[in-house]
Amino acid sequence: DQQVKQNSPSLSVQEGRISILNCDYTNSMFDYFLWYKKYPAEGPTFLISISSIKDKNEDGRFTVFLNKSAKHLSLHIVPSQPGDSAVYFCAASGGGGADGLTFGKGTHLIIQP
Amino acid sequence: DAGVIQSPRHEVTEMGQEVTLRCKPISGHDYLFWYRQTMMRGLELLIYFNNNVPIDDSGMPEDRFSAKMPNASFSTLKIQPSEPRDSAVYFCASRTGQDSSYNEQFFGPGTRLTVL
Repeated sequence: DQQVKQNSPSLSVQEGRISILNCDYTNSMFDYFLWYKKYPAEGPTFLISISSIKDKNEDGRFTVFLNKSAKHLSLHIVPSQPGDSAVYFCAASGGGGADGLTFGKGTHLIIQP
Repeated sequence: DAGVIQSPRHEVTEMGQEVTLRCKPISGHDYLFWYRQTMMRGLELLIYFNNNVPIDDSGMPEDRFSAKMPNASFSTLKIQPSEPRDSAVYFCASRTGQDSSYNEQFFGPGTRLTVL
């Protein structure tokens, strides 16, 4: 059973607009959430994270929102740029982040010029 | 810093052969993780170490898989004997135990394994 789900395998967004990537989780023990970006033939690269004690975290163009009651988080990228085209993985961890990560299957974001 | 180093980057072997994947974590990192990525299952945790000691190996698929960390700067993931269904990209990641970056794991470029 998938404990972290990204239901959109792909998403196409115009350059300059907002990209919204969604993620749902089922395990109530998860208390730390991360987003990773991945280009082909490279390892995942950390983007942004959020602890369960918060509901929002911002870093430049990237904002992550957490809705604990709905077990849902989202990544907002604004404005979207061509270099943002990549696969984005949502990941979750328990133990305050001390445990290994459980990943979603990823969303392929395509930024159209 | 060179980042997490994995070798080889590509490995092609025949069913039944032994395969050894290698990882050098970032210097000073206390945690080392092995992940596997397949089309069917996505990215999944296999095992992780803290200060060279295995903490959770519940993700290791079966006894054919073993991992070691003989010192703080080196880890191996061994598959013996290998099977075609082991074909995947294997990632190694490491992170510090310090609170300031407690949760961010740094990934290596991966080893693409093909078992014929």
